[in-house]
Amino acid sequence: DVKVTQSSRYLVKRTGEKVFLECVQDMDHENMFWYRQDPGLGLRLIYFSYDVKMKEKGDIPEGYSVSREKKERFSLILESASTNQTSMYLCASSYRGRSTEAFFGQGTRLTVV
Amino acid sequence: AQKITQTQPGMFVQEKEAVTLDCTYDTSDPSYGLFWYKQPSSGEMIFLIYQGSYDQQNATEGRYSLNFQKARKSANLVISASQLGDSAMYFCAMRETNTGTASKLTFGTGTRLQVTL
Repeated sequence: DVKVTQSSRYLVKRTGEKVFLECVQDMDHENMFWYRQDPGLGLRLIYFSYDVKMKEKGDIPEGYSVSREKKERFSLILESASTNQTSMYLCASSYRGRSTEAFFGQGTRLTVV
Repeated sequence: AQKITQTQPGMFVQEKEAVTLDCTYDTSDPSYGLFWYKQPSSGEMIFLIYQGSYDQQNATEGRYSLNFQKARKSANLVISASQLGDSAMYFCAMRETNTGTASKLTFGTGTRLQVTL
């Protein structure tokens, strides 16, 4: 079974803190994605990566950065957390190619207070 | 501009009836893939069905089928013989083949389906 694991299910952080969300996949997937999910807005792509050290901005990259030092691990970084970054964050991974489905982690519910 | 549009925020269907969830998309890429995912209240994302832009036939997977109308840029999900367990959020997604890089996977806003007795 493909496994995509996010390091935390729930996180509470203070405004201004630097926050790291970690995601690990065990299927040797080339592609990894970070989304945030908010009611009524669906899943919005923050960043994605197609190879080690390679990354591309998604639709809402402002306030976020990412790191992919190893193929299996993709980290989302909130440089200075703000209350409007309170959300559900979903990590996904997939093989390269347009026909391959993405596999998702269980999500991290981040609350910034 | 929205790449994926799901115009039905919520839908109700009676058990055993069929239901169609709408999805339209926008792309200039001739090669793309369309996906549907289900998200029950537990929060997990479950892949349901895939349709490639060059596929001649509509995709089917058990009770799920995809009504693909390329000229209209629509990829509606049809669920036949609805069951109570089909109550969930449903997302349409598109993967475009960006030349030389990863293919971006973009989602719509979702449709919440409620199956009633």
